[in-house]
Amino acid sequence: DTGVSQDPRHKITKRGQNVTFRCDPISEHNRLYWYRQTLGQGPEFLTYFQNEAQLEKSRLLSDRFSAERPKGSFSTLEIQRTEQGDSAMYLCASSLEESGVGELFFGEGSRLTVL
Amino acid sequence: AQSVTQPDIHITVSEGASLELRCNYSYGATPYLFWYVQSPGQGLQLLLKYFSGDTLVQGIKGFEAEFKRSQSSFNLRKPSVHWSDAAEYFCASSDWGKLQFGAGTQVVVTP
Repeated sequence: DTGVSQDPRHKITKRGQNVTFRCDPISEHNRLYWYRQTLGQGPEFLTYFQNEAQLEKSRLLSDRFSAERPKGSFSTLEIQRTEQGDSAMYLCASSLEESGVGELFFGEGSRLTVL
Repeated sequence: AQSVTQPDIHITVSEGASLELRCNYSYGATPYLFWYVQSPGQGLQLLLKYFSGDTLVQGIKGFEAEFKRSQSSFNLRKPSVHWSDAAEYFCASSDWGKLQFGAGTQVVVTP
């Protein structure tokens, strides 16, 4: 399967713990995006990378959140000192940047539950 | 900033009946518009997209959408729904490569 893969698919943690999610994009895609989706809402943009450069971060991405894409391939999203409000589905997507047309391919997501 | 609005939070439709999901966009120039579908516990799958040209676009799974500049709309349609079409549907616009999503419309299909 050459789609976008995310790991883990589900994570349950206690408040205050750190969690890390990994995303492996489609291999030739140079853009990688992170979105957050809460119940009953559409996905909300968090951040994106063009190769290894993080080009934009949403105001939703507090200081407790950090994302990296060290070699322009896979990416990690870390949440430090988790809070119950961080419970959500974290979606990763990738695209082949072509004039910013924005056709994204999504992974199945990592669902976080903070107790 | 670009945005899309999906006025209907929830729609119930009988199997075999037609379906239309509404999407309105706010953007001065011609936007890049998309419809995605999300089944329970799954990621988002692209149904169709509109960049330019023919205003009626065909997608996968028998869906189509029509871009109407005069109404700032990009409504999704399917002539005859199947039980497997039960899912959540998201309209989105591209903002310099980032997608801005609507809140979604939940579709329930009854026998």
